Amino acid sequence: AQKVTQAQTEISVVEKEDVTLDCVYETRDTTYYLFWYKQPPSGELVFLIRRNSFDEQNEISGRYSWNFQKSTSSFNFTITASQVVDSAVYFCALSGVHTSGTYKYIFGTGTRLKVLA
Amino acid sequence: DVKVTQSSRYLVKRTGEKVFLECVQDMDHENMFWYRQDPGLGLRLIYFSYDVKMKEKGDIPEGYSVSREKKERFSLILESASTNQTSMYLCASSRPGNTEAFFGQGTRLTVV
Repeated sequence: AQKVTQAQTEISVVEKEDVTLDCVYETRDTTYYLFWYKQPPSGELVFLIRRNSFDEQNEISGRYSWNFQKSTSSFNFTITASQVVDSAVYFCALSGVHTSGTYKYIFGTGTRLKVLA
Repeated sequence: DVKVTQSSRYLVKRTGEKVFLECVQDMDHENMFWYRQDPGLGLRLIYFSYDVKMKEKGDIPEGYSVSREKKERFSLILESASTNQTSMYLCASSRPGNTEAFFGQGTRLTVV
């Protein structure tokens, strides 16, 4: 079975603090992709990053960084020097193969991040 | 700018009504998806489609049906709305394979 677990339901930090959002996944596929999405109060999910299972290099994009560790089945997301605009719900997702052979996305339950001024 | 557009942001319907949620994408994507989002449950897949007139059941298809007569449009149908279908509904589209999905702004449906 394929599954994504985001154990942190809600996190509150003060502006300028660093914060890490955890994501643990389960899959039997040898090839798979992992994603992070941001859902601001407006409701629309915004794509942040995609990482395939063969690329364990960490990635940095501005204040955002991602740590992919296959050994622990984790794909954690760190925001450095958080800002109020980072307040949102963040979803981790796994691209899995449906029984029909097509692809579908499996989402975690999300982590609500509140950044306080 | 790529876009997935859902026909309504907010809807209020009565129990037993037939409800149509419409989604249109302008990216020529083959794949389209309908999810519902509930607090503590994340996004759960209702149905998806990988081609015109093709559909696949997701994890929670009961009480729903879909229609995809044109590539750009994917409709979610609640045959007889019930209060437990009160939720946020999100439409998404993607290219084939393990590519990222693009989401609409969501429809918050309340069934009374």
